[in-house]
Amino acid sequence: DAGVIQSPRHEVTEMGQEVTLRCKPISGHDYLFWYRQTMMRGLELLIYFNNNVPIDDSGMPEDRFSAKMPNASFSTLKIQPSEPRDSAVYFCASSTDRNTGELFFGEGSRLTVL
Amino acid sequence: AQSVTQPDIHITVSEGASLELRCNYSYGATPYLFWYVQSPGQGLQLLLKYFSGDTLVQGIKGFEAEFKRSQSSFNLRKPSVHWSDAAEYFCAVEAVDYKLSFGAGTTVTVRA
Repeated sequence: DAGVIQSPRHEVTEMGQEVTLRCKPISGHDYLFWYRQTMMRGLELLIYFNNNVPIDDSGMPEDRFSAKMPNASFSTLKIQPSEPRDSAVYFCASSTDRNTGELFFGEGSRLTVL
Repeated sequence: AQSVTQPDIHITVSEGASLELRCNYSYGATPYLFWYVQSPGQGLQLLLKYFSGDTLVQGIKGFEAEFKRSQSSFNLRKPSVHWSDAAEYFCAVEAVDYKLSFGAGTTVTVRA
């Protein structure tokens, strides 16, 4: 079975550019999460969706960040404009059951903003 | 708010030796606790979880963890470490709003 698929795996861009990260969750999973991992702050939950609806976006750092889930098999995280401090690894994870706590993570998208 | 502390940033252990990773949590109610592992360049994978019941839980890859309410701890153990266990390990606690709060992680190095 395919796991959570993220693209791109690596992205290098210049400050001010728009960045779009993509995620395909595991089929049948109705929860989708976006996390950011940095050395300084560790793993931070940015936003999560249930049945394609954003439930909690309190972790989204600024208005420059936005996330969408147009259907059950696709989500995007967009940063516009990007800044060097956005450099991090962004993980997408999906889950089938709110109460199990078992998240299935993708391999991450490593973003470098110059 | 719930939080997790992993006191050890880095642990080095010899192959075949035992391993114990510490995790302390802060949470008012009965916590849901988890251990995840992250291999280099990979996403996180669930090792085990504790919701209730038996305080000693078994996980994948030969790991186990023990929940001790009196010490607010959920330490991870493995009796005999293999070189493939070199990775970063994260303890996490879940609150009622389903947000997982992760600890800062412990990096495990396995020497031959």
